[in-house]
Amino acid sequence: DVKVTQSSRYLVKRTGEKVFLECVQDMDHENMFWYRQDPGLGLRLIYFSYDVKMKEKGDIPEGYSVSREKKERFSLILESASTNQTSMYLCASRAGVLGDNEQFFGPGTRLTVL
Amino acid sequence: AQKITQTQPGMFVQEKEAVTLDCTYDTSDPSYGLFWYKQPSSGEMIFLIYQGSYDQQNATEGRYSLNFQKARKSANLVISASQLGDSAMYFCAMMGENRDDKIIFGKGTRLHILP
Repeated sequence: DVKVTQSSRYLVKRTGEKVFLECVQDMDHENMFWYRQDPGLGLRLIYFSYDVKMKEKGDIPEGYSVSREKKERFSLILESASTNQTSMYLCASRAGVLGDNEQFFGPGTRLTVL
Repeated sequence: AQKITQTQPGMFVQEKEAVTLDCTYDTSDPSYGLFWYKQPSSGEMIFLIYQGSYDQQNATEGRYSLNFQKARKSANLVISASQLGDSAMYFCAMMGENRDDKIIFGKGTRLHILP
């Protein structure tokens, strides 16, 4: 059974804290993604990675960074959390194979920044 | 740049009726893929259906079908014989032709099925 796991379902942090959101997939997928989901805005892509140590900016990368040291793990980092980063964060992975298009999602992390 | 538009923020439908969720897209890629995902109140994203731009037939998966009209750049989701469990948020999404392309999402439609 394919799986994408995220380190926390709920997280509460204070403004200015450094926050790490971890995502692990067990499907040997090349591509991994971080989205944030806000009411009325849908899913917006923050960063993605198509290989180890590779990263690409998505549509809203400001205030975030990422790390992909191993193929199965993709971390999202908030260097100095702010209240406008309160959101649901969704990690996803997909095989880097033409025709294998399904993107699998983790359960999400609901982050609250106070 | 690619863009997905879902114009229906919310819909109310009687149980057992058919439902059509609208999705239009814009892309300059000659080849692309279109998706629909369901997100129930539990929050998980559930893949429903995929349509490739060069597929000759509209995709179907059980009660779900994708009404793909390439010239109109529309990819509407049709749910036949709706059930209470279909109440959820539905997202239309697309990706380009390359294996490393990102998937972009619309803003979603919240579907409420009434008993």
